Amino acid sequence: EVQLVESGGGLVQPGGSLRLSCAASGFTFSNYEMNWVRRAPGKGLEWVSYISSYSTTIYYADSVKGRFSISRDNADNSLYLQMNSLRAEDTAVYYCARLDYYRSGTYAMGLWGQGTLVTVSS
Amino acid sequence: EIVLTQFPGTLSLSPGERATLSCRASQSVTSSYLAWYQQKPGQAPRLVIYDASSRATGIPDRFSGSGSGTDFTLTISRLEPEDFAVYYCQQCESSPFTFGPGTKVDIK
Repeated sequence: EVQLVESGGGLVQPGGSLRLSCAASGFTFSNYEMNWVRRAPGKGLEWVSYISSYSTTIYYADSVKGRFSISRDNADNSLYLQMNSLRAEDTAVYYCARLDYYRSGTYAMGLWGQGTLVTVSS
Repeated sequence: EIVLTQFPGTLSLSPGERATLSCRASQSVTSSYLAWYQQKPGQAPRLVIYDASSRATGIPDRFSGSGSGTDFTLTISRLEPEDFAVYYCQQCESSPFTFGPGTKVDIK
């Protein structure tokens, strides 16, 4: 089955760290660029970070730049998000999402995991 | 940064009615990189439209997308009970890959 499964969420104190994982299965992970997207309680979707197939290109949202780090292990079919210096406003469900390319040359986030909840609170 | 604005914020309609959702970009977006997603409570987002007007796999033909430049539209021709959800537009043309704030389509 083609799927993405996130893990690693939980309760962490402000200033703390957490590492999220996303396990990919059912497809050739190394062929795909990947993203992290989050949704805070009562708010909309917010794109967090992007990584290219072989980690040569990485982007971050300004809200997490310098605190979060995206990485991947193609041999292990896994995507990661290392989150440091966490703040209350980082509380959200975090999704990993695969970037799918289409024949027209365009792309969009065609496959999503179910998400993992991160709560930053004392 | 490309800022996306969606309106209305909430659309209250009855099953069978037509829904028209708008997405406006702060600067021109190549239509190839404009997508729409549906999200229901407790579920992951689901791709509905990519390339501004192409339906994703498994999306029924009552969903259609249109637009170019800075103005894009998602239309649901006849609402089914399963269509009541929040819809987001997103641009993947340039980082940051911004989402609009969403339009909630709820049952009147």
